[in-house]
Amino acid sequence: DAGVIQSPRHEVTEMGQEVTLRCKPISGHNSLFWYRQTMMRGLELLIYFNNNVPIDDSGMPEDRFSAKMPNASFSTLKIQPSEPRDSAVYFCASSLARGGRTEAFFGQGTRLTVV
Amino acid sequence: GEDVEQSLFLSVREGDSSVINCTYTDSSSTYLYWYKQEPGAGLQLLTYIFSNMDMKQDQRLTVLLNKKDKHLSLRIADTQTGDSAIYFCAEITRASGGYNKLIFGAGTRLAVHP
Repeated sequence: DAGVIQSPRHEVTEMGQEVTLRCKPISGHNSLFWYRQTMMRGLELLIYFNNNVPIDDSGMPEDRFSAKMPNASFSTLKIQPSEPRDSAVYFCASSLARGGRTEAFFGQGTRLTVV
Repeated sequence: GEDVEQSLFLSVREGDSSVINCTYTDSSSTYLYWYKQEPGAGLQLLTYIFSNMDMKQDQRLTVLLNKKDKHLSLRIADTQTGDSAIYFCAEITRASGGYNKLIFGAGTRLAVHP
């Protein structure tokens, strides 16, 4: 398997524009996580899906952020409208929970810069 | 609440041992993890420990778990320049509906110098 695939790797956009980040989890994994990494706040869990259903979105910062998982092999994180403070590296991770163990496999991340 | 805390920086000399510390909050966490992030890359699982263990050794890595104090540490023996990275501690905690989610600390940046 190629691992978790995220696209794009880098995104530069102007404030106010819509941004869509994409993720393809590892085949067979039933959980998907979106994280955001910044110097100030470290690694924050934004939202978590299990079997394509959003389980916990308490980390989504504002209504400007939304995430979908239309099927087991694809998820998107959308920011509309984007703001400079959204600049961060966004990671997608997937896992297959086994007996209480949840080993997450991470994508390479999307570095978002909002100017 | 959910909170995993780590010191932000550690600098060691090549060949010395590194010890990275972490405190977590969820006493029911069944597994605790250490992840490594190299520059420009995602996080990769380094090692993990089951909560009923107090030590796990894997080559140059030793994980110590003190459940009473909710303290986890990662010791890297004979630290090499290739060990320079950010190390994240993570705990499993319960999400809504009884599912598990991973909560990470802010990461400890390890710098190895000659």
